[in-house]
Amino acid sequence: EAGVTQSPTHLIKTRGQQATLRCSPISGHTSVYWYQQALGLGLQFLLWYDEGEERNRGNFPPRFSGRQFPNYSSELNVNALELEDSALYLCASSLYSGVSYNEQFFGPGTRLTVL
Amino acid sequence: AQKVTQAQTEISVVEKEDVTLDCVYETRDTTYYLFWYKQPPSGELVFLIRRNSFDEQNEISGRYSWNFQKSTSSFNFTITASQVVDSAVYFCALTPRDGQNFVFGPGTRLSVLP
Repeated sequence: EAGVTQSPTHLIKTRGQQATLRCSPISGHTSVYWYQQALGLGLQFLLWYDEGEERNRGNFPPRFSGRQFPNYSSELNVNALELEDSALYLCASSLYSGVSYNEQFFGPGTRLTVL
Repeated sequence: AQKVTQAQTEISVVEKEDVTLDCVYETRDTTYYLFWYKQPPSGELVFLIRRNSFDEQNEISGRYSWNFQKSTSSFNFTITASQVVDSAVYFCALTPRDGQNFVFGPGTRLSVLP
């Protein structure tokens, strides 16, 4: 069974540009989560999508946005890139029944570098 | 508010030593889930264990064991007879039953030296 996949592996942008990161969840998983892992800062929760809807977002500015498609894949968009957006962006997927919560399975990440 | 504290930033042990990674959490929810993840140098987080707040039984899986103590809000992770391949960053995480908020601890970097 294929795991969570993310593309691209690496992304280099300059300040002010926009970045689009993509994630495909494990087959059958309806929830997708996005995290930012900046150097030395651990995992910071960005966004949670389930069944095509945004369920929750972390403490990030509105220029971080995303969406989930009918096939449950997801995109994370970062507008007006700033140097401090340089980080590893991790996507995770899980089964979410609305009653119980299951473990998240993580993808390999997209390393975004903003110059 | 929810919070996960992993007070040990970095730990170094020599192979075959036992090591315990501490995790202390804060939550007002009565139902919640706790997790441990491993992040090896390759970067991809690997799920290790899930525990719900109603299950305080300790768990052992091979060289890994977990001690969940609700009274002290701790969910500690012990590796017995550590190996070089155990070198990684280990994250403890917490979420309430409805999954509305996901909080990871800052991680503990474990280095197992040969």
